[in-house]
Amino acid sequence: SQQGEEDPQALSIQEGENATMNCSYKTSINNLQWYRQNSGRGLVHLILIRSNEREKHSGRLRVTLDTSKKSSSLLITASRAADTASYFCATALTGRRALTFGSGTRLQVQP
Amino acid sequence: DSGVTQTPKHLITATGQRVTLRCSPRSGDLSVYWYQQSLDQGLQFLIQYYNGEERAKGNILERFSAQQFPDLHSELNLSSLELGDSALYFCASSPQGEAETQYFGPGTRLLVL
Repeated sequence: SQQGEEDPQALSIQEGENATMNCSYKTSINNLQWYRQNSGRGLVHLILIRSNEREKHSGRLRVTLDTSKKSSSLLITASRAADTASYFCATALTGRRALTFGSGTRLQVQP
Repeated sequence: DSGVTQTPKHLITATGQRVTLRCSPRSGDLSVYWYQQSLDQGLQFLIQYYNGEERAKGNILERFSAQQFPDLHSELNLSSLELGDSALYFCASSPQGEAETQYFGPGTRLLVL
């Protein structure tokens, strides 16, 4: 199975609610990144958290990293219809340069 | 706009044919990555180049090849195309190619008939 596995695969919420997506991985990492992809478009980098960091914020985004559990979560607060997209976690494995992407979470925010 | 450009946006071709996808990285980025995104396989890393040299290889088929030119643009060549090669092909770039933030292009949608 893939290095990064997102959970849930799909999520539907109402505008104004918070959305939480989780990512689990298997081996040690240098950093973990979250990307967003609007349907059929290129991926957009959201946030990078290093292995020695536990939490990071960027606007309405909050990312946590638990290296002991090999997991990360992405929280989007006060969601908007424009947040509708697929969200991917990508891990930078120790000793490797390329990123490994998970299968993504499809988020639908209902207006 | 990420600053990464890809051409063409769409490509329709027949099985057995060969196509070339082109990518221009962000100004100043030395590293280029190629990914394939299909419905059943997700986003698969194919290959990475850094300053003209191959740096990392992923799940790239032998029928596929890539190169990065002195001006740092890159081309992905797909030959003996099969129906299963239909996918979105993304190029991304980064400054140094050390598992840092990657900037993605808009992709090339390839349809093999």
